[in-house]
Amino acid sequence: QLQLQESGPGLVKPSETLSLTCTVSGGSISSSSYYWGWIRQPPGKGLEWIGSIYYSGSTYYNPSLKSRVTISVDTSKNQFSLKLSSVTAADTAVYYCARIRTKEVWFDPWGQGTLVTVSS
Amino acid sequence: QSALTQPASVSGSPGQSITISCTGTSSDVGSYNLVSWYQQHPGKAPKLMIYEVSKRPSGVSNRFSGSKSGNTASLTISGLQAEDEADYYCCSYAGSSTPYVFGTGTKVTVL
Repeated sequence: QLQLQESGPGLVKPSETLSLTCTVSGGSISSSSYYWGWIRQPPGKGLEWIGSIYYSGSTYYNPSLKSRVTISVDTSKNQFSLKLSSVTAADTAVYYCARIRTKEVWFDPWGQGTLVTVSS
Repeated sequence: QSALTQPASVSGSPGQSITISCTGTSSDVGSYNLVSWYQQHPGKAPKLMIYEVSKRPSGVSNRFSGSKSGNTASLTISGLQAEDEADYYCCSYAGSSTPYVFGTGTKVTVL
């Protein structure tokens, strides 16, 4: 059974870079049928797609975050990563990673999520 | 790309049916039969309930059904149960430049 697990610091200072890694287990990240994505959810608010990556390295980013986001993949470790630069308090959220079916376009499964707080 | 519009809350009594709407535009919901729905219990990750407008993943109760008309997709929960109390989000494909847009979310309360 495929599982995803987010990891990274839970506290980031304003203006610094948020870095998270998603480790995929129970299956290969190098599947042609899936993208791998990051989604976030500010406390008490809705879901926001951040960006997605294919195992080959091709990426799609939310235009509202594109200037600050970098997503990369390490197929040898079955991991993909998120970097969000110049963070502010508005970036405080639970960050989820998820597998995205390319053709039918659905997100499943999701990682358990990790809360990242931006504060000095 | 703006978020899809959902009602903030919907409620119903056990056994009843409720419907949650998800309104987008001709650039997303109206153009693609690629709407999915997610259930999220407090403190938990979202769970896929419906994909491609009306298909149910294995293991999801047949009390959950989806449909679409024009720019609006809908999720219906029939035979409402206490365990259905959760937040629900729709999501639509919106083209290659901004592939995915989520809805604003709906809190379902079982009275």
